[in-house]
Amino acid sequence: AIQLTQSPSSLSASVGDRVTITCRASQGIYSALAWYQQLPGQAPKLLIYDASSLESGVPSRFSGSGSGTDFTLSISSLQPEDFATYYCQQFSSYELLTFGGGTRVEIK
Amino acid sequence: QVELVESGGGVVQPGGSLRLSCAASGFPFSSYGMHWVRQAPGKGLEWVAFIRYDGHNQNKGDSVRGRFTISRDNSKNTLYLQMNSLRPEDTAVYYCAKDRVGYSNGPLNMDVWGKGTTVSVSS
Repeated sequence: AIQLTQSPSSLSASVGDRVTITCRASQGIYSALAWYQQLPGQAPKLLIYDASSLESGVPSRFSGSGSGTDFTLSISSLQPEDFATYYCQQFSSYELLTFGGGTRVEIK
Repeated sequence: QVELVESGGGVVQPGGSLRLSCAASGFPFSSYGMHWVRQAPGKGLEWVAFIRYDGHNQNKGDSVRGRFTISRDNSKNTLYLQMNSLRPEDTAVYYCAKDRVGYSNGPLNMDVWGKGTTVSVSS
């Protein structure tokens, strides 16, 4: 199965900071990667699909990039409502989906 | 509006069975593949299973293969997860989720999620 490794596992940042989260796949997955945001006690929310396509309704401060094995999620200017846990998910392996371990973004 | 509502969770002993349901509304259910995703307490997300829009193809994660069965009734707009031979490590919140792309042959990603139902496996 394709493994996804996210880094860092947690980070502390201030409102207005630029934040970057990395997701590395154990083998090439083209652009078959999505990013989700999960607020405490809530279901996940899709942010980015196909590595860099912004889901409808998601603020433009969120962006995704990468292909092959290395991907990033960036938040250009962190807002109070962005403090959450973020997960990457691959769908290159057509029969078996996997999620990364998550990155918790906390208030500094 | 688009909505998914899970039900059927509860407390069950190891080795027992449980069936989860997910009622869908606000979109053409029979046009979209559906997923189950779970989250153990304090842990990350784990994809459990996918069923194609017409029910003719199912995919499951390694940890549940042979024990869990995903199914759907398009006439009732309802998704199911039959869980047998339950283990303590199956304890989690189980989310129902809609695939983003209509008429997809396989699992892609999830653009609508329910609020989840809690399953606890304990003696």
